[in-house]
Amino acid sequence: AQKVTQAQTEISVVEKEDVTLDCVYETRDTTYYLFWYKQPPSGELVFLIRRNSFDEQNEISGRYSWNFQKSTSSFNFTITASQVVDSAVYFCALGPFGNEKLTFGTGTRLTIIP
Amino acid sequence: EPEVTQTPSHQVTQMGQEVILRCVPISNHLYFYWYRQILGQKVEFLVSFYNNEISEKSEIFDDQFSVERPDGSNFTLKIRSTKLEDSAMYFCASSPKGVASPYNEQFFGPGTRLTVL
Repeated sequence: AQKVTQAQTEISVVEKEDVTLDCVYETRDTTYYLFWYKQPPSGELVFLIRRNSFDEQNEISGRYSWNFQKSTSSFNFTITASQVVDSAVYFCALGPFGNEKLTFGTGTRLTIIP
Repeated sequence: EPEVTQTPSHQVTQMGQEVILRCVPISNHLYFYWYRQILGQKVEFLVSFYNNEISEKSEIFDDQFSVERPDGSNFTLKIRSTKLEDSAMYFCASSPKGVASPYNEQFFGPGTRLTVL
C-alpha cells in the first residue's frame, strides 16, 4: 500500500525566512515517482517537481530546493527567502512506476507573514 | 502554455440530481484522471482513463460515477444521483506519459467545486 505523510499541518514563518516542508512516504515498489504540488488560495493544483526513485540527486530551482533521501523515505521541500506569494497548501504525492494513481499527503498549509 | 480546463467552476445541485463535470485535457496527452478533494482534506484519486477505457479506479468510484470521452477533446465525470457527501472540489488531470514523456507527470485543471444541497 502507498502512503504519504506530511506531519506538519500548518507552518507560519516571517517573510524572507527559510522553511522546510517534510514529506515521508511508504511504498513496497522499487521504482516510483515523487511529486510536490502547490495549491494557492485560488484552489488549483500547480505542479512543482517530479523526482524518480532511481535519481537521488537533489534539485534546486530558484528559491526552491528538494532533498530526496531514499534511505529515510523522505522527500523534503525547502523554500529559501520566503515570500508572501509562497503562501499556499503544499502537497507531496507518490506515484508508482507504471501505475496511474497518485497518492497525496494531507498537505501543509504554509503562511508567510509580511 | 497548454493547460487543462474545467467547466463549470462551481456547480450547485440538489441531492439526487445528476451532474456532469467537464474537462478539456491538454491536447496531446493520452492519460486522463479525476480526483476529488473534500474541503480541507487531501486530494483523493477517483479514476484513470486511457485508450477509451478505465485503467484504474478507487473504492470511491462506485456505480454512481462514470467517465466518458465523448469526442476528441472532452473528458467528463458523471455522478448519477448526487449525495451530500459528494460535495467536494473535483480535479481533472492529464498526463503526457507515453507521448512526450515516459513519466506520469499529471497536470491538473483548476477544479470544479460541487455543492450538493
